Amino acid sequence: AQSVTQLDSQVPVFEEAPVELRCNYSSSVSVYLFWYVQYPNQGLQLLLKYLSGSTLVKGINGFEAEFNKSQTSFHLRKPSVHISDTAEYFCAVRSLYSGAGSYQLTFGKGTKLSVIP
Amino acid sequence: GAVVSQHPSWVICKSGTSVKIECRSLDFQATTMFWYRQFPKQSLMLMATSNEGSKATYEQGVEKDKFLINHASLTLSTLTVTSAHPEDSSFYICSATASHDNSPLHFGNGTRLTVT
Repeated sequence: AQSVTQLDSQVPVFEEAPVELRCNYSSSVSVYLFWYVQYPNQGLQLLLKYLSGSTLVKGINGFEAEFNKSQTSFHLRKPSVHISDTAEYFCAVRSLYSGAGSYQLTFGKGTKLSVIP
Repeated sequence: GAVVSQHPSWVICKSGTSVKIECRSLDFQATTMFWYRQFPKQSLMLMATSNEGSKATYEQGVEKDKFLINHASLTLSTLTVTSAHPEDSSFYICSATASHDNSPLHFGNGTRLTVT
């Protein structure tokens, strides 16, 4: 079983400032890691994913995340945010192994990023 | 990129009626589809997993007779909320995967259901 903890439910940040959204996970098996963004009344859009290889992953809209296995973390960062980045961000994990239910994602509770002009 | 189309985007219905929500994968074959429910300001709650041609697997606490899921083809899954009540009002989101090892989930844009 896996679990995902997003430590901050809300993060306000001024426009053009950097931001970090924190995500920690717990799992008894190896996992894939994902960040999704959700704009109001919309579904989720994949920002980036870590499957293997380099621990620094770059995604869309200037976001990046770093996988830290020892700290079981996958924090999301952006060096300079825009008003349009205001949205809900979800961290998610998925078991590395195939089998029934293995494609199921376990989500964190989300972090609402509010960019202040 | 892969696109999942969910329809309708919003629906208002009267208590006691049934509502069908469609989820289509437009440019890939979705061997597995997931249905989620999202309450205001909360994360997504997995309701059920459906594989093409077989019965859906429901999560604990989800009434299978109330939330009927059909995954008749590799590009279409439907969720029918039967005899809807106001407490069923929520945001429902489907997602689909081609089920390859590295295939992420692709999400529909969700359906806002309001039961009056």
